[in-house]
Amino acid sequence: NAGVTQTPKFRVLKTGQSMTLLCAQDMNHEYMYWYRQDPGMGLRLIHYSVGEGTTAKGEVPDGYNVSRLKKQNFLLGLESAAPSQTSVYFCASSYGGREGQSEQFFGPGTRLTVL
Amino acid sequence: AQKVTQAQTEISVVEKEDVTLDCVYETRDTTYYLFWYKQPPSGELVFLIRRNSFDEQNEISGRYSWNFQKSTSSFNFTITASQVVDSAVYFCALMTTDSWGKFQFGAGTQVVVTP
Repeated sequence: NAGVTQTPKFRVLKTGQSMTLLCAQDMNHEYMYWYRQDPGMGLRLIHYSVGEGTTAKGEVPDGYNVSRLKKQNFLLGLESAAPSQTSVYFCASSYGGREGQSEQFFGPGTRLTVL
Repeated sequence: AQKVTQAQTEISVVEKEDVTLDCVYETRDTTYYLFWYKQPPSGELVFLIRRNSFDEQNEISGRYSWNFQKSTSSFNFTITASQVVDSAVYFCALMTTDSWGKFQFGAGTQVVVTP
């Protein structure tokens, strides 16, 4: 099993450009998440999904959109990239559980730089 | 509101020393879950432990041990006889049952173990 994979691993954008980050998981997990990691701030939740076809906002959703058309994939889009979106992006998935309490499994991360 | 505080930004130790990482959490919920993750220099996040609010038993796994105290809202992590491979950023996270699997991460503690 590959677990959680992310594409691409690195990307450099110019301000105003758009891009999509792809997350895929092969564990049949219901829940999927997108986080950003910035120095000294831990991981902050951008958007999440509790099942195919559903999405919801996290702590820092502005400037991002997501889609979960298939259970195994969770896409994160930046419509008009800004330097403030320079960060490391992590995707995660979890089984969920009766109370959503299962641990999250993380992808390797995508390092995005916006010039 | 949920909050996780990891007050120690960085801890430096010499190999074989013990190191304790503090995690203090805030929540009004009576049912919640606490997690620890390790992020080595390679960048991936590795799940270490999950503990629910009704289980205050301490846990030991090899050189790792965790002390959960509801009275002080703390879930501290100790590495005994540290090794260079323990050098990493360690994150504490909180999840409450009404949050649909959303984690609130602390800012992380960087552990540096020198030979």
